[in-house]
Formats: sequence, structure tokens, C-alpha cells
Amino acid sequence: AQKITQTQPGMFVQEKEAVTLDCTYDTSDQSYGLFWYKQPSSGEMIFLIYQGSYDEQNATEGRYSLNFQKARKSANLVISASQLGDSAMYFCAMRGGSNAGGTSYGKLTFGQGTILTVHP
Amino acid sequence: NAGVTQTPKFQVLKTGQSMTLQCAQDMNHEYMSWYRQDPGMGLRLIHYSVGAGITDQGEVPNGYNVSRSTTEDFPLRLLSAAPSQTSVYFCASSVQGYTEAFFGQGTRLTVV
Repeated sequence: AQKITQTQPGMFVQEKEAVTLDCTYDTSDQSYGLFWYKQPSSGEMIFLIYQGSYDEQNATEGRYSLNFQKARKSANLVISASQLGDSAMYFCAMRGGSNAGGTSYGKLTFGQGTILTVHP
Repeated sequence: NAGVTQTPKFQVLKTGQSMTLQCAQDMNHEYMSWYRQDPGMGLRLIHYSVGAGITDQGEVPNGYNVSRSTTEDFPLRLLSAAPSQTSVYFCASSVQGYTEAFFGQGTRLTVV
């Protein structure tokens, strides 16, 4: 079974500062993918960044980077130079390996989310 | 370029009524899934499909049915609505492998 844990219900950051949102995961799969999504107050789910379990380098996408520490099973999201528009809910998610029927690639497991508030 | 389309966006049901939430994608994605989002609980997987004719249960399948007769459509059926099914429902699709899922806009369902 897969589990994602986000221990920060809420985080505050000053505009233009960097912020780290924590994510730890638990899986027995050797191969898996880790994702971060943003959900603004309007409700849509926006994909931010992806990290594969065999990727040697941390993923980066513009102001977003994923601090992947495989041995610690953590996949923290770092947002640099925060903007007011970054205020939103952030979800960490994982897509794992195959079960006996070969279907488990089809599902994502999500954490509980972290609400980020950026102050001017 | 529609992506993932969910209908309706809002729905109010009475306890015991049945209904179908529609989900369609035009990206030829193999994987489709349904989630419900409740406050403080993130998104929980209801059912998912890895291709036409193949479905499997997620974390919270009770009270819901799905079928996948075509690649494009993945409807979610509420058999007998209960107040506990009041939630926001998201449909998502993706291609095979460790790729991101594309989400619909969500359906806000209230069961009274």
C-alpha cells in the first residue's frame, strides 16, 4: 500500500521569500513517480512538477524544485521567490508500481495537502 | 482543446436518488480515475481504469459504480445517494507510465 504524508496543514511565507512544503511517502515499490499539484481557491488541480524514483537529479520547473531524498522517502517542494498568486492548497501525490493485475499504475495516492499563504 | 470535461459542475440530490457524473477526455488517455475531495482529507480514489473494459476499486468505492466502454468516457454512478457522499468529485486522465494526471474542473455534489 502507498501512503503520502504532508505534516504541515498551513504555511505562511513573505512575498519574494522561498518556502519548502514537506512530503514524505511510504511504498514497497522499487519504481514510482512523485508529483506536486496546486489547487487555487477556484478549485482546479494544476500539475507543477514530477520526480521519478530512478531520476538522479532533483526535478526543477521554473520557480519550483523538488528536493528528492530517496533514502528518507521525502519529496519536498521548494518554491523560490514566492508570489501572491502562489497562495493555494498544495498536494503531494505518488503513482506506484504494478500489482498482480497490472492495474495499480492507473492510480494516484494523495496527501492531505498544505495551505500556503503568501503575505505581501 | 477540451482536455477532461466533467458534467455537471453542481448538483443537489435528495437522499436515495441515483445519478451519473459524466467524465470525458479527448486526449486518448488510457488511464482514467475518479476522486472525491473532502475538507482535511485530500483527494481519495474512488475507482480507476487502465483502459476500456478494465476498472478497479480505489480507496473509497462503496456506493459508487463505474464502467469504461470507450477510451473517452468514464462515468461515475451513485446508486442511492447518501449525505456522506456530499463532496467535490474530480475526474482525471493520463497516459501510461509515471506521467501527470489531467483533471476536470470538478463536480460539487450536495446530498440532502
